Amino acid sequence: DSGVTQTPKHLITATGQRVTLRCSPRSGDLSVYWYQQSLDQGLQFLIQYYNGEERAKGNILERFSAQQFPDLHSELNLSSLELGDSALYFCASSVQGSGELFFGEGSRLTVL
Amino acid sequence: GENVEQHPSTLSVQEGDSAVIKCTYSDSASNYFPWYKQELGKRPQLIIDIRSNVGEKKDQRIAVTLNKTAKHFSLHITETQPEDSAVYFCAAREDTGGFKTIFGAGTRLFVKA
Repeated sequence: DSGVTQTPKHLITATGQRVTLRCSPRSGDLSVYWYQQSLDQGLQFLIQYYNGEERAKGNILERFSAQQFPDLHSELNLSSLELGDSALYFCASSVQGSGELFFGEGSRLTVL
Repeated sequence: GENVEQHPSTLSVQEGDSAVIKCTYSDSASNYFPWYKQELGKRPQLIIDIRSNVGEKKDQRIAVTLNKTAKHFSLHITETQPEDSAVYFCAAREDTGGFKTIFGAGTRLFVKA
């Protein structure tokens, strides 16, 4: 158990819909990262937050947005969903500067 | 931005043999290079890492080497075992205000008993 909690574990929805994925980082970790892993693909960096502020951005689509709340949990919002958005979405957290990312179990999104 | 290339995409070895996975990165500002192992259906987990001020690091059967000049780094697994079968990801981290860790595409390692 990494200490990073993601909900929901599985989500099935239809094209055009909107979903929210939630992540609670390890106790004490201020940084949260979101990654997308499509079938048999690598880990695509989406966005990083540190103590509530956006710090780094990857190839995140405009239809996607995220935020980190004062209690340090983070949410990834995916809207106007397309079939190609079906993927495993990982959240990871780290102690700033230590390097190691601790990943959650992921949220598997299926868009039908 | 940073781009990490990883080779090979698939690697099959006999139990007891060595396995080598190679990565290159593009951004000379990257200074931290971790390796993650992802077993089927599981989350990625760090197995070893190296910082830019070190050329080599070893942990039991696993070693990582870094050539900053050539922007190459490699993972070496010796005496492979069936439980080493997994997908391995290299990564490079930029420290540019944020900490953007960019991953390679992954290497699927099969260790045949």
